[in-house]
Amino acid sequence: GAGVSQSPRYKVAKRGQDVALRCDPISGHVSLFWYQQALGQGPEFLTYFQNEAQLDKSGLPSDRFFAERPEGSVSTLKIQRTQQEDSAVYLCASSLYTGTQYFGPGTRLTVL
Amino acid sequence: AQSVTQPDIHITVSEGASLELRCNYSYGATPYLFWYVQSPGQGLQLLLKYFSGDTLVQGIKGFEAEFKRSQSSFNLRKPSVHWSDAAEYFCAVGASGTYKYIFGTGTRLKVLA
Repeated sequence: GAGVSQSPRYKVAKRGQDVALRCDPISGHVSLFWYQQALGQGPEFLTYFQNEAQLDKSGLPSDRFFAERPEGSVSTLKIQRTQQEDSAVYLCASSLYTGTQYFGPGTRLTVL
Repeated sequence: AQSVTQPDIHITVSEGASLELRCNYSYGATPYLFWYVQSPGQGLQLLLKYFSGDTLVQGIKGFEAEFKRSQSSFNLRKPSVHWSDAAEYFCAVGASGTYKYIFGTGTRLKVLA
């Protein structure tokens, strides 16, 4: 497609449930990023992939968060045993290499 | 450590008035600088970017920004605001040759008819 797409757009989970968020980057983009945007805040870096390699996961807030990009294209961010503090918008971005990042519409996660 | 400050949380302007949104950054070398806009329920759309060269950069939708190294600023301007410009604006800094963006907390723009 022409841009970065994410699904689902909205997700409601009960505390303790596992969730999986999907990102389809721009075709041909080598780099993929996940950000977390809490209400009223700017996006904060979670993790970075170059092709299928996860080169930086320093922003993942806990070991309940896991991201993968097995074939170097689509990526999934998984959150296990969701907590209320995980409620946020999760943004995916892609770039050709380390240049300008293009963002998807985000997935709004609400944990009840 | 890198940081970005957007001192104005909310700004209200009348349609047709000029706009300036402030952004100050902290970074040791010349950074990559970006302005993104986020409409409600939408992702971030790139307005403009500065990597090097001319310090006045033009973007989409009639926006421009000026990089001032001496003031560590990258303020966003528009000469005449339209009602459709109402949104949240984020300034971001990226280190040259690296991938991490640091975002400010955003400025929410309200436009009065």
